[in-house]
Amino acid sequence: DAGVIQSPRHEVTEMGQEVTLRCKPISGHNSLFWYRQTMMRGLELLIYFNNNVPIDDSGMPEDRFSAKMPNASFSTLKIQPSEPRDSAVYFCASSPWGPTDTQYFGPGTRLTVL
Amino acid sequence: QQQVKQSPQSLIVQKGGISIINCAYENTAFDYFPWYQQFPGKGPALLIAIRPDVSEKKEGRFTISFNKSAKQFSLHIMDSQPGDSATYFCAASIRGSTLGRLYFGRGTQLTVWP
Repeated sequence: DAGVIQSPRHEVTEMGQEVTLRCKPISGHNSLFWYRQTMMRGLELLIYFNNNVPIDDSGMPEDRFSAKMPNASFSTLKIQPSEPRDSAVYFCASSPWGPTDTQYFGPGTRLTVL
Repeated sequence: QQQVKQSPQSLIVQKGGISIINCAYENTAFDYFPWYQQFPGKGPALLIAIRPDVSEKKEGRFTISFNKSAKQFSLHIMDSQPGDSATYFCAASIRGSTLGRLYFGRGTQLTVWP
């Protein structure tokens, strides 16, 4: 079975540009999570969807970040405009039921904002 | 505020030695304590988890020890191998809640020298 799929794997962009990260969760999983990982702050939960509905977006750093889940098999995380401090590895994860279930992480997208 | 505090930040162990990573929490409502393992360039993956109704759980060379009164739990890796070199995250949550979330520690980078 395919795991969580993320694209692109690497993204290099210039400050001010729009960045869109994509995620396909494991089929049948009801919950989807977006995390950001940096050396300084570790693994941070940005937003969590359950049955395609955003449940907890308290970790979204500011209005420049937005996330959508139009259907059960696709989610996007958008940064507009991007800034150098957004440089990080962004992970998407999914779980069969809820946030306290085992979470299955994708390979991550390494974002570099110049 | 960090819900789960993890130490040490980095750990170097010789092959065959014991690796010990410690975590502490404050919220007594937490009832699920998983450990995730992350290899370079990969997303975290569930390694082992424990519920507070037991004081120890062992899976192969990996053991979780849990001290409910002290609100601490730890991961022990016996006979550490170079292949165990990875970043380890402890986490805590309130199981069974769709409104809950998984709180991760900051991570411990383990290096096992051959």
